[in-house]
Amino acid sequence: GENVEQHPSTLSVQEGDSAVIKCTYSDSASNYFPWYKQELGKGPQLIIDIRSNVGEKKDQRIAVTLNKTAKHFSLHITETQPEDSAVYFCAARPGANNLFFGTGTRLTVIP
Amino acid sequence: DTEVTQTPKHLVMGMTNKKSLKCEQHMGHRAMYWYKQKAKKPPELMFVYSYEKLSINESVPSRFSPECPNSSLLNLHLHALQPEDSALYLCASSHPDRGSSTDTQYFGPGTRLTVL
Repeated sequence: GENVEQHPSTLSVQEGDSAVIKCTYSDSASNYFPWYKQELGKGPQLIIDIRSNVGEKKDQRIAVTLNKTAKHFSLHITETQPEDSAVYFCAARPGANNLFFGTGTRLTVIP
Repeated sequence: DTEVTQTPKHLVMGMTNKKSLKCEQHMGHRAMYWYKQKAKKPPELMFVYSYEKLSINESVPSRFSPECPNSSLLNLHLHALQPEDSALYLCASSHPDRGSSTDTQYFGPGTRLTVL
């Protein structure tokens, strides 16, 4: 089955700096890669996703890159703000409906 | 509207109780999911319903019983739970077709379950 690894597990950055979270996956059949943000006491919220036919996608301060050959994808947050502090999960989908999650990254943005 | 609602927000139950968690969405999604999330861990898939039929059961103990009465509702019936079942239970929904541009899973806020 699919195995998704995520690094780092914790990340602290100064406000205004950039944050990068990296994930690798094992199943070459995976074709959809969403990123979720989870704040304390809330459910995961989709922030950006990318499909296997695209190498990069950007939405304002958030971008995701995908390297299918190396089986890794990354989340980039620029100009970080305190409200970006949360746990971020990457995920990969190798088959219909199944999502396999990474272990999460706790991002802290220091004002 | 990309909202998935879940009730109750919090639930405390004893090991002999029977309770139910409810999930609702009005996005026209025909796939609905139950996940279990322990503290500081990612969500773990429990069940998937596709077109109101159970399509995936990730070897979940029978004390958890899912039900999908119609395309908008998903229930999780709980009976004889153990303290280790305490967790955040998340519902999600999506379009069920693989490769569809609209197959994103949207999560509800979860039900925080405590089993005493």
